[in-house]
Amino acid sequence: GQQLNQSPQSMFIQEGEDVSMNCTSSSIFNTWLWYKQDPGEGPVLLIALYKAGELTSNGRLTAQFGITRKDSFLNISASIPSDVGIYFCAGQLPRDFGNEKLTFGTGTRLTIIP
Amino acid sequence: ETGVTQTPRHLVMGMTNKKSLKCEQHLGHNAMYWYKQSAKKPLELMFVYSLEERVENNSVPSRFSPECPNSSHLFLHLHTLQPEDSALYLCASSPLAWGTDTQYFGPGTRLTVL
Repeated sequence: GQQLNQSPQSMFIQEGEDVSMNCTSSSIFNTWLWYKQDPGEGPVLLIALYKAGELTSNGRLTAQFGITRKDSFLNISASIPSDVGIYFCAGQLPRDFGNEKLTFGTGTRLTIIP
Repeated sequence: ETGVTQTPRHLVMGMTNKKSLKCEQHLGHNAMYWYKQSAKKPLELMFVYSLEERVENNSVPSRFSPECPNSSHLFLHLHTLQPEDSALYLCASSPLAWGTDTQYFGPGTRLTVL
């Protein structure tokens, strides 16, 4: 089955630093999504990408849909304490795969060191 | 407030108990999903309902029984669970099943099976 490799698994940074994480796949995806999950809560959608090469920003967050359609990255600039949490990528398969399931990465846990 | 609510937020049950998880969406969506989230594993899709009909059942053990009485409500009935079923159970909804519509998640039910 399709797998998403998300890296890094965890990050320890200081407040104010920039953050970069990415997802790669062996399969082509039609859509890439980035979610953030706070402790004890469900994932919340941050950015959705629908076209290869698309670069989209949401405040301090920027995400790109890789030109090969097999990867995506998420950048966070000037991190703040509320950025702490787990970030998930998710890819949606093309319709000709049978159905357009969402496949999730294993997550990147972001911790900010005081 | 994501528009998707789940109750209870926490549940502890013995292996012989019967309990139900409830999900309600206030977004006017037509598709609803159950996911299982275990530590250090990607989200696992369990069931998908589209217009109250089950369209996906991902080889889930029969001790998990979903019910979708209408497009706003989704239940997960639990009976004779195992300790390895302890996890965060997430409900999600989207305007249509699959397609390019993004899924919106509820806060989850943290289930512990003793």
